[in-house]
Amino acid sequence: DTAVSQTPKYLVTQMGNDKSIKCEQNLGHDTMYWYKQDSKKFLKIMFSYNNKELIINETVPNRFSPKSPDKAHLNLHINSLELGDSAVYFCASSQDERGVSSGYTFGSGTRLTVV
Amino acid sequence: EDQVTQSPEALRLQEGESSSLNCSYTVSGLRGLFWYRQDPGKGPEFLFTLYSAGEEKEKERLKATLTKKESFLHITAPKPEDSATYLCAVQASGTYKYIFGTGTRLKVLA
Repeated sequence: DTAVSQTPKYLVTQMGNDKSIKCEQNLGHDTMYWYKQDSKKFLKIMFSYNNKELIINETVPNRFSPKSPDKAHLNLHINSLELGDSAVYFCASSQDERGVSSGYTFGSGTRLTVV
Repeated sequence: EDQVTQSPEALRLQEGESSSLNCSYTVSGLRGLFWYRQDPGKGPEFLFTLYSAGEEKEKERLKATLTKKESFLHITAPKPEDSATYLCAVQASGTYKYIFGTGTRLKVLA
């Protein structure tokens, strides 16, 4: 039973399209995250929700919009996709907003390729 | 500005050849320093949290240590299954953000 599951695992799409990535966690955690991992494997926080409230909103283009319908789900919608959006996007969760004592649990990632 | 630098970028070891990975950090008040392991095509997997200088944590062949400026991940008698990218991250007091390093790619040869 997967703890943090993301769909789809792979996404190939053309420039200008709109796409969504979905994430669900069954750990009962309060906090969920979206991270972007670039081609050099650098992981950068994009957004974080704690109990459906946005608590981290990094400087990302406003084409990216997160939505958390409940504390077990966090989706990422991307409008007008650009070549530079190609990356691996990871969803993660933690027990609380600090994510310190037991760290984050990551999903297996969504590899987005924009052509 | 909070920053994490990991070295080396890549490391090849023979099975049984012990070594250490380094994570240097600059942070305005450390809440925690974290080590993760990432296998190809997968998300990072949590290994340890260290909170203050002098602290050590162990898990199987891995031991993490912390000083006021850096952390080391010591790998004792590694096996091929220890091959992965090891990521270090810090969280500053007063924030909820992790700052990740770019990782060390470890390859252990049989």
